[in-house]
Amino acid sequence: GQNIDQPTEMTATEGAIVQINCTYQTSGFNGLFWYQQHAGEAPTFLSYNVLDGLEEKGRFSSFLSRSKGYSYLLLKELQMKDSASYLCAVSDSNYQLIWGAGTKLIIKP
Amino acid sequence: GAVVSQHPSWVICKSGTSVKIECRSLDFQATTMFWYRQFPKQSLMLMATSNEGSKATYEQGVEKDKFLINHASLTLSTLTVTSAHPEDSSFYICSARMGGEFSPLHFGNGTRLTVT
Repeated sequence: GQNIDQPTEMTATEGAIVQINCTYQTSGFNGLFWYQQHAGEAPTFLSYNVLDGLEEKGRFSSFLSRSKGYSYLLLKELQMKDSASYLCAVSDSNYQLIWGAGTKLIIKP
Repeated sequence: GAVVSQHPSWVICKSGTSVKIECRSLDFQATTMFWYRQFPKQSLMLMATSNEGSKATYEQGVEKDKFLINHASLTLSTLTVTSAHPEDSSFYICSARMGGEFSPLHFGNGTRLTVT
């Protein structure tokens, strides 16, 4: 079967750095997406990786290793507004998105 | 950037009534739109794929006659929850891609449905 694993919840301190991991087992791979979802709101797109390596976008970076079925989202200089759930989603061989359950990130002052 | 508009943002209805949710792509044409449902503290669950000009493709376990999808134009898809029951109370979100399969999904703001 297809499976996406990510931690349920993480806590970090304002101004610090946090890494949210995502491992996947899917039938085929056409890229991995990270989304941010604030409580009660719809997800917003953060990043997309299809090749191995690190993609950097301001305070957020996303890494992919296809051979290991592994990705992480790195958030730097954490701000209180970064408190949200972070969803990992993999596009499989049919371009269907397989969603992880999300990681709830709690930022403390 | 790609904008997807969803209406209404929230709705409360009585058990047995029907509710229609609209999803519009405002600045691009979407031949395909996706309808998701999300229960509290759970991830997104794909309900169906809406195809312009043809029938929607429903995921396993989703009742076609209960969740009616119409994709009448390249910018509008509607989801109608028929004969709603309290267990249908959920957060419904539509999404669409501006480009091909490698492009990200852009989501509407979601509709919070409460059935009393």
